[in-house]
Amino acid sequence: SAVISQKPSRDICQRGTSLTIQCQVDSQVTMMFWYRQQPGQSLTLIATANQGSEATYESGFVIDKFPISRPNLTFSTLTVSNMSPEDSSIYLCSVGMGSGAYEQYFGPGTRLTVT
Amino acid sequence: KQEVTQIPAALSVPEGENLVLNCSFTDSAIYNLQWFRQDPGKGLTSLLLIQSSQREQTSGRLNASLDKSSGRSTLYIAASQPGDSATYLCAVRPGRGSSYKLIFGSGTRLLVRP
Repeated sequence: SAVISQKPSRDICQRGTSLTIQCQVDSQVTMMFWYRQQPGQSLTLIATANQGSEATYESGFVIDKFPISRPNLTFSTLTVSNMSPEDSSIYLCSVGMGSGAYEQYFGPGTRLTVT
Repeated sequence: KQEVTQIPAALSVPEGENLVLNCSFTDSAIYNLQWFRQDPGKGLTSLLLIQSSQREQTSGRLNASLDKSSGRSTLYIAASQPGDSATYLCAVRPGRGSSYKLIFGSGTRLLVRP
């Protein structure tokens, strides 16, 4: 398994601003993922972030809105840009462990409220 | 398109009961299935992972089964405790293509009453 931490744990931001969320893992992993959980909803994958390559975004998510960095095998950031109240969600990073990233472990999440 | 459904959406039981949570998926071509627990406002804790070639996995009081051909999985919780109160999510990793994404159900919110 992996121990995953996220910063900040929560934040309240104003419309039009940007927030960068950090994800730190206690071991080197190839695959990192960013998910969003909107209020009362289940989780939806935003993008997959591999070290040394551009992030791969899911349908409905674009790099200009959710830029991702993956500078090394233990760290990633997700930025939520030009925020609106619809971006209020829990953002979670996860990592894939094992051959083929077959099991995913999640961080504690960042609760974002946009006013 | 893979869709994951969890029934019931909410469940309230007295302490000590054995219970079953259900998960169904529309495409039987899956790589694996994971059960997670989510406490309010928190992240996800991985409970059990079942590979597509397996029929069940056990951890303590938890037992998860997988019937891939019928597109179903169940999570059995024995001798439930108030500390089991949480939302339980199942997620499948599709077996088609090279994506590692998990597709989640909407969860079962469990309350175990003392």
